[in-house]
Amino acid sequence: SAVISQKPSRDICQRGTSLTIQCQVDSQVTMMFWYRQQPGQSLTLIATANQGSEATYESGFVIDKFPISRPNLTFSTLTVSNMSPEDSSIYLCSVEEGLAVYNEQFFGPGTRLTVL
Amino acid sequence: QQQVKQSPQSLIVQKGGISIINCAYENTAFDYFPWYQQFPGKGPALLIAIRPDVSEKKEGRFTISFNKSAKQFSLHIMDSQPGDSATYFCAASKSWRGSTLGRLYFGRGTQLTVWP
Repeated sequence: SAVISQKPSRDICQRGTSLTIQCQVDSQVTMMFWYRQQPGQSLTLIATANQGSEATYESGFVIDKFPISRPNLTFSTLTVSNMSPEDSSIYLCSVEEGLAVYNEQFFGPGTRLTVL
Repeated sequence: QQQVKQSPQSLIVQKGGISIINCAYENTAFDYFPWYQQFPGKGPALLIAIRPDVSEKKEGRFTISFNKSAKQFSLHIMDSQPGDSATYFCAASKSWRGSTLGRLYFGRGTQLTVWP
């Protein structure tokens, strides 16, 4: 399966600042996803990022707050803008990869964000 | 609205016992049902997945049972070990174009503790 890395692995940020999270994949993938996981909670999809098109955001998430770039088939960034303590979460990227007949989805290690 | 409902929220099992986690869904269009295992500080790892053309899938000590008419699926962990202590998430997706999964809908997670 694809090897997915994220940078940074964790960060502590001040309220009102922005943080850009990078997701790098060791193979070319069409579909990438960004999820948020609040402490002790399930995963919530923020947006789907396909190369060559604008990211598609889920209800409750907007581009001004979570701008996403997808410049090529192996890389994506998620920016958390104008942060508040409510943005403290683990941010995860995932990719969909075709294996044999069917596709599967795999997750990166996550970026643990704390906003003070 | 929670697309996938998961129970129990937490589970404590003796070493060597069987751990059973249940999930239910409403959308009959779902045709892909994965289970993810997540250790603290790590991203979710794909454990096992099933598609509705079979009623059961087994990989080592892990088995998925699928009941299409009841719209339920479950994860069974045989001979549970302390190393299995983690959070388990069920999910569901509706594939399109034959194999592409698109977004996953996650359950709320089950925290499994296996006592030695």
